[in-house]
Amino acid sequence: DTAVSQTPKYLVTQMGNDKSIKCEQNLGHDTMYWYKQDSKKFLKIMFSYNNKELIINETVPNRFSPKSPDKAHLNLHINSLELGDSAVYFCASSQGGGGGIYEQYFGPGTRLTVT
Amino acid sequence: DAKTTQPNSMESNEEEPVHLPCNHSTISGTDYIHWYRQLPSQGPEYVIHGLTSNVNNRMASLAIAEDRKSSTLILHRATLRDAAVYYCILRPHRQGAQKLVFGQGTRLTINP
Repeated sequence: DTAVSQTPKYLVTQMGNDKSIKCEQNLGHDTMYWYKQDSKKFLKIMFSYNNKELIINETVPNRFSPKSPDKAHLNLHINSLELGDSAVYFCASSQGGGGGIYEQYFGPGTRLTVT
Repeated sequence: DAKTTQPNSMESNEEEPVHLPCNHSTISGTDYIHWYRQLPSQGPEYVIHGLTSNVNNRMASLAIAEDRKSSTLILHRATLRDAAVYYCILRPHRQGAQKLVFGQGTRLTINP
């Protein structure tokens, strides 16, 4: 059983298009995240949702919009894709609350290539 | 967020112990020390975490200095599968402090 799954695994699209990446977790966690790993391999938090409520919104262009239909799902929609959006996007989940105690479980990543 | 410093890369041989150091001289009293690793073409995975005392689990051991300004992740018997980038991360113990702040990590190479 995959704990955190993402679809698609690979996404190739042209500049200006709108695309979505889906994430689902079956761990019963109530906090989910999106991270971005760029070509230099730096991993950076983008968003976090706790019980469907946005709790972390880092400095991310407003072309990126997360949506959490329920606690088990956190999707990422990207409008007007740009070349610089090419990266690997990771979804993660954890138990909520408690600050630095709970570990995060990561999905396999979605490699987005914008041409 | 408190900062950590790790060597860019380390190399070891299969079936030997590996000690991965991390300096965190500005750690605060409520910061937990977490270690994650990222295997090639995979998402990061949790390895271990601790606050003050040394910790052991099935993957590794975490040795924390008495002043908490440094820590060492110990892989007791490295295998080829342990080749990965290892990240040492400080996480405050407060409500809402959920995000992981990744640094550059240490790229560990294991020689057969």
